[in-house]
Amino acid sequence: DAGVIQSPRHEVTEMGQEVTLRCKPISGHNSLFWYRQTMMRGLELLIYFNNNVPIDDSGMPEDRFSAKMPNASFSTLKIQPSEPRDSAVYFCASTQNAGGIYNEQFFGPGTRLTVL
Amino acid sequence: TQLLEQSPQFLSIQEGENLTVYCNSSSVFSSLQWYRQEPGEGPVLLVTVVTGGEVKKLKRLTFQFGDARKDSSLHITAAQPGDTGLYLCAGRRNYGQNFVFGPGTRLSVLP
Repeated sequence: DAGVIQSPRHEVTEMGQEVTLRCKPISGHNSLFWYRQTMMRGLELLIYFNNNVPIDDSGMPEDRFSAKMPNASFSTLKIQPSEPRDSAVYFCASTQNAGGIYNEQFFGPGTRLTVL
Repeated sequence: TQLLEQSPQFLSIQEGENLTVYCNSSSVFSSLQWYRQEPGEGPVLLVTVVTGGEVKKLKRLTFQFGDARKDSSLHITAAQPGDTGLYLCAGRRNYGQNFVFGPGTRLSVLP
């Protein structure tokens, strides 16, 4: 079975450019999460969706970041304009939110973003 | 300030040794999860603990949730090089859907 799919795996861009990260959750999962991981700050939740609806975006750093989930099988995280401090590994995770407390988040392999 | 603290930050041991890593907070969690992350990959769930004082075992790994549900420990018996990785704890508050992650303990088991 395919897990969470993220693309690209690596992205190198220059400051000021627009960056779009993509995620395909596991089929049948109805919750999707975007995380950012750095050495300094660890793994931080940016935003999560339930049934394609954004529920909590309090972790989004600033207006330069936006996320969409147009359907159950696709989500994007966009940074415009990008800055060097955005350099990090960005993870997407999905889960089948059945209301239980044992919900397991399945993580994708991540996108390593470098902003020069 | 981290909501969840993990210690030690780094740990390097020889194969066959035992070790314990800790996850601490001043907040109460409805549940707590432990993940292991290997280089170049996303975290993978090891266990979820829910009840204060709960102990779960996964082969050579033993997980305990504190009585007050504010802390947790992971004990590995007879560590193997395959245990090498970043161990993350994640706490769930107020039965919400999202978890907050600790900074992790980076474990290296040398053959």
